[in-house]
Amino acid sequence: AQTVTQSQPEMSVQEAETVTLSCTYDTSESDYYLFWYKQPPSRQMILVIRQEAYKQQNATENRFSVNFQKAAKSFSLKISDSQLGDAAMYFCAYRGFNSGGSNYKLTFGKGTLLTVNP
Amino acid sequence: EAGVAQSPRYKIIEKRQSVAFWCNPISGHATLYWYQQILGQGPKLLIQFQNNGVVDDSQLPKDRFSAERLKGVDSTLKIQPAKLEDSAVYLCASSLESRDRFNYGYTFGSGTRLTVV
Repeated sequence: AQTVTQSQPEMSVQEAETVTLSCTYDTSESDYYLFWYKQPPSRQMILVIRQEAYKQQNATENRFSVNFQKAAKSFSLKISDSQLGDAAMYFCAYRGFNSGGSNYKLTFGKGTLLTVNP
Repeated sequence: EAGVAQSPRYKIIEKRQSVAFWCNPISGHATLYWYQQILGQGPKLLIQFQNNGVVDDSQLPKDRFSAERLKGVDSTLKIQPAKLEDSAVYLCASSLESRDRFNYGYTFGSGTRLTVV
């Protein structure tokens, strides 16, 4: 079974600074997708960035980038020039096959609460 | 495009009572998911539908939880009887197709916060 581990329950960063959130995962699959989602107090999950495992190049989306280390099964999120609006829960998620092997499923980590200090 | 609609937004019930949540996915999305998110934890998949068929309910407590997706569109999740540990946010999500490697766009609703007292 796939598992996703986020070892940092909470992180804080000063406005305009850079912060890195960690994520590791365990899988026996070779082809999968990884995601970072943001969950503000409104509770809706918002996609921040995604990475296809078959792509060696790290994904970037404006101020958000990832460091994907496939062999180490590591997938960290870097937020540059942090803004007050970045404050939220951040979840790392893995998309792979379910136990029956017939459908894809999304498995989440426990999340990291990011605080941005003005 | 309209998002995933969920209702109610909040619900407070006493233990041993029953409760139902409703979800209306994105139009045309074949796959619908129900997640349980306990405070301080990540969402846990309870059940996954492909059209109106169940493809994964391995983590659904079937003695008290049930879900259906009639006609492959709307879905309801029911808890009967509720326990204190069922207090959580129940998130609904949908995607185009869960069997397609390249269709990985998930859209989440805002969830229902359930408090069991």
